[in-house]
Amino acid sequence: DTGVSQDPRHKITKRGQNVTFRCDPISEHNRLYWYRQTLGQGPEFLTYFQNEAQLEKSRLLSDRFSAERPKGSFSTLEIQRTEQGDSAMYLCASSTISGGVYWETQYFGPGTRLLVL
Amino acid sequence: QKEVEQNSGPLSVPEGAIASLNCTYSDRGSQSFFWYRQYSGKSPELIMSIYSNGDKEDGRFTAQLNKASQYVSLLIRDSQPSDSATYLCAVGDAGGTSYGKLTFGQGTILTVHP
Repeated sequence: DTGVSQDPRHKITKRGQNVTFRCDPISEHNRLYWYRQTLGQGPEFLTYFQNEAQLEKSRLLSDRFSAERPKGSFSTLEIQRTEQGDSAMYLCASSTISGGVYWETQYFGPGTRLLVL
Repeated sequence: QKEVEQNSGPLSVPEGAIASLNCTYSDRGSQSFFWYRQYSGKSPELIMSIYSNGDKEDGRFTAQLNKASQYVSLLIRDSQPSDSATYLCAVGDAGGTSYGKLTFGQGTILTVHP
């Protein structure tokens, strides 16, 4: 397994358009996180899945954002009616606490860089 | 509001020197602490994790944790130009289903000059 993958790596869109990003976690990882990072800042938590269940959403995640993880495998993050303020790097991370792992470590994918014009 | 504070730098050190990066956090209940390295335009890469008070060494990197002072640090010995990057301190949430959620500092930019 080569790690967490994300697609696309870059996305340019016009304001008002919808965009969807995909994340494929490390295969045995049951936890999946989405973060957003703007220039000069650390990543900010958006949402979290354990298997297929979305267990937490940040207040940063407005109603225009939705995330899914069907069958507990890959995840998608959709942004509807994009705004210029949505321009950022969207990062996916995965981890596991199964198999005797007590402390959780998150591994990040390469990110999707979104630019809203 | 949980907070993680880092000196944004930039921190500039000569090649071969020790770089010292610091981080404080506000939630006394936090249990897991991480240092990620991020090169420009790339995603964060885990370099160290620490869970108990004291020092943890891995090669040229040493992480130090003091829960009483709510302080985490990272020392990089024999700094190399390839260590030049942004270093992100991250703190794991504690309790309930949000156990793994990370709160990041804003990052410290490190430059190692030849």
